[in-house]
Amino acid sequence: AQKVTQAQTEISVVEKEDVTLDCVYETRDTTYYLFWYKQPPSGELVFLIRRNSFDEQNEISGRYSWNFQKSTSSFNFTITASQVVDSAVYFCALSEVNAGNNRKLIWGLGTSLAVNP
Amino acid sequence: DTEVTQTPKHLVMGMTNKKSLKCEQHMGHRAMYWYKQKAKKPPELMFVYSYEKLSINESVPSRFSPECPNSSLLNLHLHALQPEDSALYLCASSQQGPGTSYEQYFGPGTRLTVT
Repeated sequence: AQKVTQAQTEISVVEKEDVTLDCVYETRDTTYYLFWYKQPPSGELVFLIRRNSFDEQNEISGRYSWNFQKSTSSFNFTITASQVVDSAVYFCALSEVNAGNNRKLIWGLGTSLAVNP
Repeated sequence: DTEVTQTPKHLVMGMTNKKSLKCEQHMGHRAMYWYKQKAKKPPELMFVYSYEKLSINESVPSRFSPECPNSSLLNLHLHALQPEDSALYLCASSQQGPGTSYEQYFGPGTRLTVT
């Protein structure tokens, strides 16, 4: 069965601290995609990154970086020098392809990040 | 700026009312989705439209009725809802077809309260 586990329910940090959000996944597919989404208090889910199963390169985008390791089935997300605007719920998700070639997202339960001034 | 728009932003309705949620995307995507999200939970998939045809219905009660008039529009018709249907309703769209990556882009959501 496919599954995404975000073990950290809530994290609280002080501004400028670095913080890592963990994501561990399970899948039998050889081809799959992993995603991170941010949901601020306003409610809109914002797409942050996609990674496919054949590309294990880490990625950096400004203060955000992602570490994908197939050996440990993990796709962790680090925010460097956190800011109050980073306060949000962050979801990790895995894409599944069903028989109709429709991709469903398997979601983790989310990690609520509070960055305090 | 979001390229998936949803109206209304907030909706309060009684259990006997009929209302509709609307979603529009301007990205040329051919897959569109309705999700329901309760507080502190991940989104729950309700329906998927692929090339304007309903391809996934996650056993959603018939009081929710989706409609896809064209490739850019998605509606969710609501009738005889229950208080437990109060939630944030999110619309999303994505590319569709071989070789595409399928990331979904979400609208801002409609916060629905059923009284």
